[in-house]
Amino acid sequence: DGGITQSPKYLFRKEGQNVTLSCEQNLNHDAMYWYRQDPGQGLRLIYYSQIVNDFQKGDIAEGYSVSREKKESFPLTVTSAQKNPTAFYLCASRGRVDQPQHFGDGTRLSIL
Amino acid sequence: GIQVEQSPPDLILQEGANSTLRCNFSDSVNNLQWFHQNPWGQLINLFYIPSGTKQNGRLSATTVATERYSLLYISSSQTTDSGVYFCALINTGTASKLTFGTGTRLQVTL
Repeated sequence: DGGITQSPKYLFRKEGQNVTLSCEQNLNHDAMYWYRQDPGQGLRLIYYSQIVNDFQKGDIAEGYSVSREKKESFPLTVTSAQKNPTAFYLCASRGRVDQPQHFGDGTRLSIL
Repeated sequence: GIQVEQSPPDLILQEGANSTLRCNFSDSVNNLQWFHQNPWGQLINLFYIPSGTKQNGRLSATTVATERYSLLYISSSQTTDSGVYFCALINTGTASKLTFGTGTRLQVTL
């Protein structure tokens, strides 16, 4: 089935540790996005990529990093510089500019 | 940046009732999406609607871009409609980034 796969579903981070969240899509979409959702809030954009080997910061990029080495993959690293990483992280992708974004099932990150 | 306000913030309905959710936005946009986030966190596309009216089963949406609002209608609500409904604005001039509202939390009771 075509879709967006995020892994793991749950992730725990120790203080001072970097963790990487995976996002893979088999929809042949050019654009991919990472969003963060805090309890009771809407989603906020962290990073986005419109094409392989290119990405831009969103509204809350501090403490995060990404790469886009393959069209299918857009991993997000939550670094130790992100002081409040506990949140629900959602990845999305989009085909043409006039098409909607589609979302994965998300990863819940917590601090140990 | 674009401001997106949704109302009401919370809504409790009895099964079978109808409801209207509203999304107001501060600036002109190229497009708008409505989502349903279920209790497990999954975000489901409902409508992609820059203007006019669309219907999908018991749900319909209307966007009046010139007046900067969109409405989501839920008819004959069911318990499976519970969750949070988000509208999100799209500006195709900025790589189609989405700006989300804070959502309407809907609980449908028996």
